[in-house]
Amino acid sequence: DQQVKQNSPSLSVQEGRISILNCDYTNSMFDYFLWYKKYPAEGPTFLISISSIKDKNEDGRFTVFLNKSAKHLSLHIVPSQPGDSAVYFCAATELVGANSKLTFGKGITLSVRP
Amino acid sequence: DGGITQSPKYLFRKEGQNVTLSCEQNLNHDAMYWYRQDPGQGLRLIYYSQIVNDFQKGDIAEGYSVSREKKESFPLTVTSAQKNPTAFYLCASSILGMGNQPQHFGDGTRLSIL
Repeated sequence: DQQVKQNSPSLSVQEGRISILNCDYTNSMFDYFLWYKKYPAEGPTFLISISSIKDKNEDGRFTVFLNKSAKHLSLHIVPSQPGDSAVYFCAATELVGANSKLTFGKGITLSVRP
Repeated sequence: DGGITQSPKYLFRKEGQNVTLSCEQNLNHDAMYWYRQDPGQGLRLIYYSQIVNDFQKGDIAEGYSVSREKKESFPLTVTSAQKNPTAFYLCASSILGMGNQPQHFGDGTRLSIL
């Protein structure tokens, strides 16, 4: 049973527009969430994270929103750039007692059209 | 430059053979992890280790083995018991005990069966 779900496998947006990548989770024990970006044949790189005590975290063009009651988070990229084209993974963990294990979603392939 | 080095980048295995994937890190991280990625799938945890000479099974440990004789090294052996070994294998490391520290990934090894 998937505990972290990224239900849309792909997203295509125009350069300069907003990209919104969604992620849902089922495990109520998760209290820390991360987004990773991955290019083909490379390892994922950490992008941004959010703790469950917050509902928003911003870093430059990237903002992550967390809705705990809905068990939903989203990553907003504004403005989108062609270099943002990659696979984005949502991941979740418990800050205490889970040995820093991450549970990943299946990923969303983002394509930013010039 | 601190980071995680995985080798080789591409590996081919004959049926019935064991193969070992290398993972070395110079980040002085205590925790190390092995993941497997299949097309259209997220990252699934194979094994992880929090300290030298100790490791735990992840979600899909069957057919794999690991060792942690040194802090900086965490090799993964794909045994002949792993019936579907073709995949992209990723090694990661993190600071232990701080769940809000992101995992850092290597660039992966792609294993194929001849």
